[in-house]
Amino acid sequence: SQTIHQWPATLVQPVGSPLSLECTVEGTSNPNLYWYRQAAGRGLQLLFYSVGIGQISSEVPQNLSASRPQDRQFILSSKKLLLSDSGFYLCAWTPWGQTYGYTFGSGTRLTVV
Amino acid sequence: AQSVAQPEDQVNVAEGNPLTVKCTYSVSGNPYLFWYVQYPNRGLQFLLKYITGDNLVKGSYGFEAEFNKSQTSFHLKKPSALVSDSALYFCAVRESPGTYKYIFGTGTRLKVLA
Repeated sequence: SQTIHQWPATLVQPVGSPLSLECTVEGTSNPNLYWYRQAAGRGLQLLFYSVGIGQISSEVPQNLSASRPQDRQFILSSKKLLLSDSGFYLCAWTPWGQTYGYTFGSGTRLTVV
Repeated sequence: AQSVAQPEDQVNVAEGNPLTVKCTYSVSGNPYLFWYVQYPNRGLQFLLKYITGDNLVKGSYGFEAEFNKSQTSFHLKKPSALVSDSALYFCAVRESPGTYKYIFGTGTRLKVLA
């Protein structure tokens, strides 16, 4: 069966520090991968999605970036965190060629201090 | 512009009573509609979806939703609420045909009172 792993679960980082969040999917090939952010009291905002290795689409201009170095690995990064980057970050996947039916990871709670 | 609205930030209901969580949408083409539930500090869990077919969709944990094209609504319902149903509920809709992008509502917090 397919599983999605996301880590770390919680993270407290100072302003200006770098960020790396990792997400991996097991049990499937060529998944579509997504990064969402959920700010406190707000809905989900799509940050990036990827339909293949090295293929990243950015939805919101900001100081975050994403990479997909392997088929089932999706990384969210920042060179310098801002206070406004605090939030709950969710990785998700859908099967290749399917545009619906997200499966979400358990999320990372990021607090920038 | 495509959008999803969940007009209620919070819904309170007594245990055993029916519950409704509202969702309306605005998209071009045939909508793909979803409901997800989120428990504290957890990822979203899929409840149900409407792609095509019967307007009444049954999903996990006894939830169902009714697709109403004329009212552009997709309200989530359950005949008898449980305290364990207390959580944050999100409605989502595909932005446009063939896209990978989905628009999520801002969420409705459901509180079931014992």
